[in-house]
Amino acid sequence: TQLLEQSPQFLSIQEGENLTVYCNSSSVFSSLQWYRQEPGEGPVLLVTVVTGGEVKKLKRLTFQFGDARKDSSLHITAAQPGDTGLYLCAGDSSASKIIFGSGTRLSIRP
Amino acid sequence: ETGVTQTPRHLVMGMTNKKSLKCEQHLGHNAMYWYKQSAKKPLELMFVYSLEERVENNSVPSRFSPECPNSSHLFLHLHTLQPEDSALYLCASSAIDGQSYEQYFGPGTRLTVT
Repeated sequence: TQLLEQSPQFLSIQEGENLTVYCNSSSVFSSLQWYRQEPGEGPVLLVTVVTGGEVKKLKRLTFQFGDARKDSSLHITAAQPGDTGLYLCAGDSSASKIIFGSGTRLSIRP
Repeated sequence: ETGVTQTPRHLVMGMTNKKSLKCEQHLGHNAMYWYKQSAKKPLELMFVYSLEERVENNSVPSRFSPECPNSSHLFLHLHTLQPEDSALYLCASSAIDGQSYEQYFGPGTRLTVT
């Protein structure tokens, strides 16, 4: 059974600090996505990484896919209260093989 | 019209009721999905329809019955549910391009079974 483990489960930091969230698996994925979910809404796609070692930047967010395509990290620089939410990673190998991690709940204190 | 819509947003039903959840996507995608999101558990993929054919049924109890009449619409028919079925039910759609299956989610239906 494929599993994606996210760490930490919860993170509460002060505005302006940096943070990193991790997504790890023993399985290889064709691609990996990161989503953010706010209360009462569905997850919203942030980024997709496909190539081992790939790094993508989205403003203050930096996403990295591991060389072996088994793990990924999300780094946020100078966190803002608007970054608060549940961050989910998901790996896929086909339309019917999509696995979500358990999520990291991030809270940014003003 | 926004990408993926779901109705109703909230539903309270008794264990003997029959109800249906509806999902519609306006993105031109050819795959649609039902997920269950419970507290403290990862998102669980329930059903996948690709080109209107069901390609995945992840050991979901028969009290959940999906229907995909065309590539834009997806239903989840519910009957004789249990209290543990209370959860957020999310619909998603994706393109199928062979490289990644980026999920575009609706806002979800918050289901409470009493």
